[in-house]
Amino acid sequence: QSVLTQPPSVSAAPGQKVTIACSGSTSNIGNNYVSWYQQLPGTAPKLLIYDNNKRPSGIPDRFSGSKSGTSATLAITGLQTGDEADYYCGTWDTALSAGVFGGGTKLTVL
Amino acid sequence: QVRLQESGPGLVKPSGTLSLTCVVSGGSISTSDWWTWVRQPPGKGLEWIGEISHSGSTDYTPSLQSRVTISVDNSKNQFSLNVFSVTAADTAIYFCARRSTKTCYGCFDFWGQGALVTVSS
Repeated sequence: QSVLTQPPSVSAAPGQKVTIACSGSTSNIGNNYVSWYQQLPGTAPKLLIYDNNKRPSGIPDRFSGSKSGTSATLAITGLQTGDEADYYCGTWDTALSAGVFGGGTKLTVL
Repeated sequence: QVRLQESGPGLVKPSGTLSLTCVVSGGSISTSDWWTWVRQPPGKGLEWIGEISHSGSTDYTPSLQSRVTISVDNSKNQFSLNVFSVTAADTAIYFCARRSTKTCYGCFDFWGQGALVTVSS
């Protein structure tokens, strides 16, 4: 049971837009910055979005993040087959004094 | 470019101790960043295990706190994980990562490739 809640899976056609929600509480998302990670099959997670909505160098602007209250959202536009991966949200939980992740969302590009 | 590389036994017997080391290259471990262990059971999601600062301060996830220790060796630019009294439920890919305090507000910006550890007799 993950502290942060994500849908297990989402899907959309190539070229379309998809959003992945991440729900938490005031002790984590509500008072801390959120980051998002992309994990391609058989590889380590890769930082996709940090500080709620910033992109590291090399991440296309098709990927964007936002946060409102105790929820965060990752949006991916212009879907490509290469975007098929597992996506995780993560943040710090002040009450637990621990890092926390969502359970992960598997993106399928139909 | 910071690089992290995990190493350690791939097979541990039940009730034994899982020990892994993460060597950091391309940068010093003696910074304000936090050095983290994350694990992923086969087919499942990411679980944050704990982290350590270069000065030795630690935080652990509550569910594992009684069985885990993380240590740092600044002279070797590496940090280590020990998980005691392991069971099959500890079988996972173990990743080391850097939780940055300068690049971002606590994101994991660099990751090791991961080390699969299987608990079995």
